[in-house]
Amino acid sequence: QVQLVQSGAEVKKPGASVKVSCEASGYGFTGYYIHWVRQAPGQGLEWMGWMNPMNGATNYAQKFQGRVTMTRDTPITTAYMDLNRLRSDDTAVYFCARGGDIAAAGQGYWGQGTLVTVSS
Amino acid sequence: QSALSQPASVSGSPGQSITISCTGTRSDVGVSKYVSWYQQHPGKVPKLMIYDVTNRPSGVSNRFSGSKSGNTASLTISGLQAEDEADYYCSSSTSTIQVVFGGGTKVTVL
Repeated sequence: QVQLVQSGAEVKKPGASVKVSCEASGYGFTGYYIHWVRQAPGQGLEWMGWMNPMNGATNYAQKFQGRVTMTRDTPITTAYMDLNRLRSDDTAVYFCARGGDIAAAGQGYWGQGTLVTVSS
Repeated sequence: QSALSQPASVSGSPGQSITISCTGTRSDVGVSKYVSWYQQHPGKVPKLMIYDVTNRPSGVSNRFSGSKSGNTASLTISGLQAEDEADYYCSSSTSTIQVVFGGGTKVTVL
């Protein structure tokens, strides 16, 4: 069965960076896009970007351009989301989600979420 | 890219039908074949309920249905049940091959 297992909770200071991992299993890792979505406490879902595990291509939401990097390590079927220059309003649960074989398709499988807390 | 517009809350009695709207623009919902709907219970991971505007993933009840007209997509829940009480989010692909979510709708079963 398809599984996405994310790394554990993080506490960071403002200005620091965080790297969240997402280990995929149960399907062909390079065949499906990985999206990153975040949810601030009590707020809605916010799309951050996608990464194509086949070739590493990415597309980031304008809001995160210059601060986010999405990568992958294909041999270990793991995707990563790196967010730098953290601010307090980056405190959120970060989800990885498997999309379809095209970038535009919806996300049918989600990781369990990683809470990132930014606090001085 | 602005978030898609959803009503903050919708309520209904058990057995009734409710519809949640999701309004975008000609740059997203209006041109997209890839409108999705997600259900999220408190503290849980979002669950895909509808994809590609009208399709239900395996295992999702046929009480959930999706449609689209112009720049507005809709999710209808028929035969409302207590377990349907949750937050619902729409999403759409955009003309720049990005994704945008709606602000979310809280469904209350009276």
